[in-house]
Amino acid sequence: DGGITQSPKYLFRKEGQNVTLSCEQNLNHDAMYWYRQDPGQGLRLIYYSQIVNDFQKGDIAEGYSVSREKKESFPLTVTSAQKNPTAFYLCASNTISNSYGYTFGSGTRLTVV
Amino acid sequence: DAKTTQPPSMDCAEGRAANLPCNHSTISGNEYVYWYRQIHSQGPQYIIHGLKNNETNEMASLIITEDRKSSTLILPHATLRDTAVYYCIVRLALMDSSYKLIFGSGTRLLVRP
Repeated sequence: DGGITQSPKYLFRKEGQNVTLSCEQNLNHDAMYWYRQDPGQGLRLIYYSQIVNDFQKGDIAEGYSVSREKKESFPLTVTSAQKNPTAFYLCASNTISNSYGYTFGSGTRLTVV
Repeated sequence: DAKTTQPPSMDCAEGRAANLPCNHSTISGNEYVYWYRQIHSQGPQYIIHGLKNNETNEMASLIITEDRKSSTLILPHATLRDTAVYYCIVRLALMDSSYKLIFGSGTRLLVRP
């Protein structure tokens, strides 16, 4: 079955460490997105990519980096510059011409210890 | 950018209809209204979307006012599994015909037994 896979489901990071969250989709979708969600809050856009080798900053890109070397993959790196990285991270994808909205992964919960 | 306003929480009895309102008074003519829901610690799930006309699918109905400044999501026979946070979103158009979704805080719906 097609879908989006995020891994790992839970991740613990020590302060000062970089960590990379994986997002893979086999839906042949063009665009991919990373969102951050804090407890009791809505989703905030970190980065998005409409095509391979191109990506754009969202509303809260500081302290994060991404790459889009393959259509299927859009990994997110949380760097040590991100001051408050503990959050729930969600990856999504869609085709540019698709009006039926995003398909979301099941999320990664990152905790800084 | 068009913004949406939703009540922070609502409840309804199991088996009854749940009517979730949303205001989007600054929506422009070519912007769609989308509804998603998020069950705790999962990725958001697409429910329905519309432009001008009322829409219905197997999950819900969407009623959009004639002036398009507000809409209502209707779950006709709510079940306990419908307890979730419901997001009303206006689709923001980007260049190249792609788009991004901006999530607010949503409405937390509690379905009571």
